[in-house]
Amino acid sequence: EAQVTQNPRYLITVTGKKLTVTCSQNMNHEYMSWYRQDPGLGLRQIYYSMNVEVTDKGDVPEGYKVSRKEKRNFPLILESPSPNQTSLYFCASSPGTGSTEAFFGQGTRLTVV
Amino acid sequence: AQKITQTQPGMFVQEKEAVTLDCTYDTSDPSYGLFWYKQPSSGEMIFLIYQGSYDQQNATEGRYSLNFQKARKSANLVISASQLGDSAMYFCAMPGGSTLGRLYFGRGTQLTVWP
Repeated sequence: EAQVTQNPRYLITVTGKKLTVTCSQNMNHEYMSWYRQDPGLGLRQIYYSMNVEVTDKGDVPEGYKVSRKEKRNFPLILESPSPNQTSLYFCASSPGTGSTEAFFGQGTRLTVV
Repeated sequence: AQKITQTQPGMFVQEKEAVTLDCTYDTSDPSYGLFWYKQPSSGEMIFLIYQGSYDQQNATEGRYSLNFQKARKSANLVISASQLGDSAMYFCAMPGGSTLGRLYFGRGTQLTVWP
């Protein structure tokens, strides 16, 4: 089954404790992205990757890191989480052609206290 | 960069009625597309429909159709015969032009279907 898998689904952590949200896709897609969703703001892109070892900042990259060492994986790293990073996070992948929808993971609800 | 505007924070519709969710966009790309996604209360993002700017006819997928008006830069989603299960957040989104793999989203419209 074609899917994007994020883990964990829910996470509560404390300020400053490094965490990683994993994302994996099994569709051999070149393009992967991370978004955060906040009430009233829709989804905003954090980082995206066009291929292995190729990443670029989205609209809200501050406080986040990513890596793309393998085509299927695109982890999101919060080196020192802060309460303003409490949000719903989505990973997405796409083959990159404009008419094909992005496939989204199930989402990760992160709370930083 | 693309800009997507959804001006209706919330909409209400009675079951079995049709409803239109508004989406306007701004882009300098000569060729582009528009997506609509549904997000139920469980949180997942569900692809509904896509329209390319050069498609001759408005896209339809079951009860969903796109009222695409390029001159007005609008791509409204029409849901016919609303069902209680249509209650959800709906997002309009546009790919990032030359930056493949990016999507720009509107702020969403919360649709509530009542019996």
